[in-house]
Amino acid sequence: DIVVTQSPDSLAVSLGERATINCKSSQSVLYSSNNKNYLAWYQQKPGQPPKLLIYWASTRESGVPDRFSGSGSGTDFTLTISSLQAEDVAVYYCQLYYRAPLTFGGGTKVEIK
Amino acid sequence: EVQLLESGGGLVLPGGSLRLSCTASGFSFSDYAMNWVRQAPGKGLEWVSSISTSGGNTYYADSVKGRFTISRDNSKNTLYLLMNSLRAEDTAVYYCAKAGVYGSSLYFFDSWGQGALVTVSS
Repeated sequence: DIVVTQSPDSLAVSLGERATINCKSSQSVLYSSNNKNYLAWYQQKPGQPPKLLIYWASTRESGVPDRFSGSGSGTDFTLTISSLQAEDVAVYYCQLYYRAPLTFGGGTKVEIK
Repeated sequence: EVQLLESGGGLVLPGGSLRLSCTASGFSFSDYAMNWVRQAPGKGLEWVSSISTSGGNTYYADSVKGRFTISRDNSKNTLYLLMNSLRAEDTAVYYCAKAGVYGSSLYFFDSWGQGALVTVSS
């Protein structure tokens, strides 16, 4: 099975500052036949289901603000919130979907400093 | 608008059984693979199971393989999860989630239900 490691577990960022979350896979999730990275990012606010933010490592879901961006390839990926807003306080998860079993990172809790 | 509504959660004794349902609307249900993802209290997300559009292919996490059965009724736009031999560690909110890619299984999830709480306790 592919193991995914997400870091940090939590971070506190000032309003308007950048937040960076990392996700590392034990194996490459870049599928050579289509040159796509099989990684997604989700946001979960308290008491709510997760919400898809990014898929194919860097494609923003419709309606997601452009301050959210995904980058990386192969085994190392990053979710960046370019200018943190109060409504971005949440737990963020990465998910690998290269093959079964589908796996989630442990989550990163983002708070306001 | 896509809507997914889970039902059937509740309190069950260890070793017992429970069947969750997820009723879908707002999209062509038979064209999308469907999934169950769970979240234990205060913990992260765990993929449980996926089913292809026709129901002919199913996939399970090792933690539930042999105990849980995923199925779907495309005529009723409904997804199911039959859970047998339940254990305390199965206690979680169970989310129904729609695959984000048309016609294909094992992808990301672009729509989620509000979840159904399953508590396994004596």
